[in-house]
Amino acid sequence: AQSVTQLGSHVSVSEGALVLLRCNYSSSVPPYLFWYVQYPNQGLQLLLKYTSAATLVKGINGFEAEFKKSETSFHLTKPSAHMSDAAEYFCALGASGTYKYIFGTGTRLKVLA
Amino acid sequence: DVKVTQSSRYLVKRTGEKVFLECVQDMDHENMFWYRQDPGLGLRLIYFSYDVKMKEKGDIPEGYSVSREKKERFSLILESASTNQTSMYLCASSKSGGYYEQYFGPGTRLTVT
Repeated sequence: AQSVTQLGSHVSVSEGALVLLRCNYSSSVPPYLFWYVQYPNQGLQLLLKYTSAATLVKGINGFEAEFKKSETSFHLTKPSAHMSDAAEYFCALGASGTYKYIFGTGTRLKVLA
Repeated sequence: DVKVTQSSRYLVKRTGEKVFLECVQDMDHENMFWYRQDPGLGLRLIYFSYDVKMKEKGDIPEGYSVSREKKERFSLILESASTNQTSMYLCASSKSGGYYEQYFGPGTRLTVT
C-alpha cells in the first residue's frame, strides 16, 4: 500500500532561518513525489516534483527537496525563510500505472518576524 | 498559462438541496479530480475521471456523484446536501500518468446550513 506521512502539522521558523518540512513515503513501486503549497483561500500550486531524473530537485521560490530512497524521505528545505513563505505545504505521492495521488495531511508553516 | 476554474468561490446551501459544483480546465488533460479538504485531514479524493464519461470512486464517494460529458468539464453533484458536507472542494486536472503533476482550481468553500 502507498502512503505519505508529513511530520509536524505546524512548523514555526524565524524570518531568515532554515525551513525544513518533513515527508516520508511508503511505496511498493518507484514513486513520483511532489510538494505543493497552498496560500490562504487558494488552490494548491506545485513547488517541485521528483520523477527519478535527479535526487536533488529544485523548485520555485528557492525551495528544494532531496529524494532519499534509503530513508524513504522527500524533505522540503529553503535556506532562508521569508514572511511570504507562510502557507500550508503538502507532500504527494504518485506512481506509474495509477491515476491517483496520495496527499499528506499538510504542514502549516508560520514565519516569525 | 494553464488554468483550472471552478464555478463558485463561496456557496451557501440548505440541507437537502441538490448542489452542483463545476470545474473547467483548458489544458486538454485526460484526468480530472474532485477532492475535499478539511483541517487536519488534508485532501481526500472523492471521485476522479480519466476520460469523458469515465469515472472511478475515490476514498470518500458517499453522498456525491460526478459527471463528465466533455473533456474539459467535470461536475461534482451533492444529491442531497448535508451539514457534514460543509467543506472546501478542490478540483484538479492532470495529463494521464502518475508522474504528471496536478493543476488545481482555486477551490469552492461550501457551507450547508
